[in-house]
Amino acid sequence: GQNIDQPTEMTATEGAIVQINCTYQTSGFNGLFWYQQHAGEAPTFLSYNVLDGLEEKGRFSSFLSRSKGYSYLLLKELQMKDSASYLCAVLNDYKLSFGAGTTVTVRA
Amino acid sequence: DSGVTQTPKHLITATGQRVTLRCSPRSGDLSVYWYQQSLDQGLQFLIQYYNGEERAKGNILERFSAQQFPDLHSELNLSSLELGDSALYFCASSGTSEDTQYFGPGTRLTVL
Repeated sequence: GQNIDQPTEMTATEGAIVQINCTYQTSGFNGLFWYQQHAGEAPTFLSYNVLDGLEEKGRFSSFLSRSKGYSYLLLKELQMKDSASYLCAVLNDYKLSFGAGTTVTVRA
Repeated sequence: DSGVTQTPKHLITATGQRVTLRCSPRSGDLSVYWYQQSLDQGLQFLIQYYNGEERAKGNILERFSAQQFPDLHSELNLSSLELGDSALYFCASSGTSEDTQYFGPGTRLTVL
């Protein structure tokens, strides 16, 4: 089976940094994705990790440790528009399994 | 805009009815995926098609079926609808099964 855990909620201040952790236990692994989803809208792709290490993309970075079954998404210089749900997803055997999502609220 | 289109945007129907949701993938993408997202379940993978053939199956009920046509658009058919089927249904597409999936805007289904 697939087990993907991430915190339910996080709150941070505009301009700050927030780190969203994701741990996974899956029967196989072909890559890990992070998506952003605003309420009622489609998930939008943020990052993809298949090898261990850090991938940086502007204000967003994602890290993967396959041996630990662990990833994090780092959001820097938070903006109000970053208030959204962030979904961790593991690709295994053609199937993408999603965590329940972390709702990030950015306060002024 | 991801390039994936879905119709209709909203659908309201009654229990016991049957509906069809439609999805057109991004230009050039061969893989189409269907997901269900309800408030208490999160995003659940239903089924994947690759170039017209079923590639992977998730938690899809027997009352639900899908197909991918030669022009690569896909349809998800939901029958004998129940109140619990009310959810957002997303379609996603990718070039291959390992590529990033891009999601359409979704169809919000309400079963009354």
